[in-house]
Amino acid sequence: LAKTTQPISMDSYEGQEVNITCSHNNIATNDYITWYQQFPSQGPRFIIQGYKTKVTNEVASLFIPADRKSSTLSLPRVSLSDTAVYYCLVGLSGGYQKVTFGIGTKLQVIP
Amino acid sequence: EAGVTQSPTHLIKTRGQQATLRCSPISGHTSVYWYQQALGLGLQFLLWYDEGEERNRGNFPPRFSGRQFPNYSSELNVNALELEDSALYLCASRPSTDPYEQYFGPGTRLTVT
Repeated sequence: LAKTTQPISMDSYEGQEVNITCSHNNIATNDYITWYQQFPSQGPRFIIQGYKTKVTNEVASLFIPADRKSSTLSLPRVSLSDTAVYYCLVGLSGGYQKVTFGIGTKLQVIP
Repeated sequence: EAGVTQSPTHLIKTRGQQATLRCSPISGHTSVYWYQQALGLGLQFLLWYDEGEERNRGNFPPRFSGRQFPNYSSELNVNALELEDSALYLCASRPSTDPYEQYFGPGTRLTVT
């Protein structure tokens, strides 16, 4: 199971673009990269998932370089409501049977 | 579409007692996962059920157990409660067609005194 490394915390002002990078040096060929968002006292919420290059949805973009040893979650023009913990997961092709989400990155958006 | 539901929202027990937590997955989802999130820590994988069978478990003692019913709802039982078991317990479900995206419930806050 690929181990991931993320910054523990980040601060950003409202309206700015935020990029959170996750390192996963031993990612396997079949692994996908998934990001979740968690607000206090709530369960995590799926944000975006990708395998390579770039994926974009209505919430975020995910950039994955060719070697796939890292990935960057990009949140455009953050607002106060984006203050949350963001988790990067690298999973087995069969699903997250035994995944630990880790501590994630605590993003604090400042007015 | 109704989301994952969990009950109770809060549960207060004393050390040595047993706790039972319940989870109802999204309709059509056959897999249910349980996680423990202690204060300030990440989510630790507890158990995975699929089609009524326990498929995998995390590094937790045997006093953490559970089951999945024919309607795919699930129950987590924690015996001989210890103070360190105080945490938010999250349940997630996913459809058999998508191995990655899990849908989480609001959690049960278990407090052991």
